[in-house]
Amino acid sequence: DAGVIQSPRHEVTEMGQEVTLRCKPISGHNSLFWYRQTMMRGLELLIYFNNNVPIDDSGMPEDRFSAKMPNASFSTLKIQPSEPRDSAVYFCASSLEDKQPQHFGDGTRLSIL
Amino acid sequence: AQSVTQLDSQVPVFEEAPVELRCNYSSSVSVYLFWYVQYPNQGLQLLLKYLSGSTLVKGINGFEAEFNKSQTSFHLRKPSVHISDTAEYFCAVRDTDSWGKLQFGAGTQVVVTP
Repeated sequence: DAGVIQSPRHEVTEMGQEVTLRCKPISGHNSLFWYRQTMMRGLELLIYFNNNVPIDDSGMPEDRFSAKMPNASFSTLKIQPSEPRDSAVYFCASSLEDKQPQHFGDGTRLSIL
Repeated sequence: AQSVTQLDSQVPVFEEAPVELRCNYSSSVSVYLFWYVQYPNQGLQLLLKYLSGSTLVKGINGFEAEFNKSQTSFHLRKPSVHISDTAEYFCAVRDTDSWGKLQFGAGTQVVVTP
């Protein structure tokens, strides 16, 4: 079975530009999570969706970040405008139910110049 | 709220030697515990989990962990490591009553040398 698929794998852009990260969860999974990983702060949960509905977005750093899940097979994380401090690896994960183990994608390595 | 402490940021180990990665947690409620592994340029992969029952949990790739409630620990062990075990290892904890929010430790980098 295909795992969690993220695109792009790498993104380099200039500050001020809009960045959109994409995630396709494992088919049949109803919970989706976005994480950010940096050396300084480790793994941080940004937002959690259950059945396409955002349940907890308390980890979203600021209004420049937004996430959507228009259907069960697709989610986006958008940063507008981007800043150099947003540089990180962003992971998407999904689980069969919210209490089941999470399966991670390979991440998007984002560099904002 | 929970917190997770991984006591070692890096553990060098020789091939075929045993390794133990330490994890302690704090929580005011019952928890589930997990170990994940992250290979370079990849996402996290679940190694093993403790939900209930036997406190000794066996996972993939020959790893095992033991839940010690009195010491609030969940240390990960492998009796004989391979070069391919070089990776970063994350301990994570979740409140049994919550919706699934994982609290991760800072990670332990394992470097296996010949």
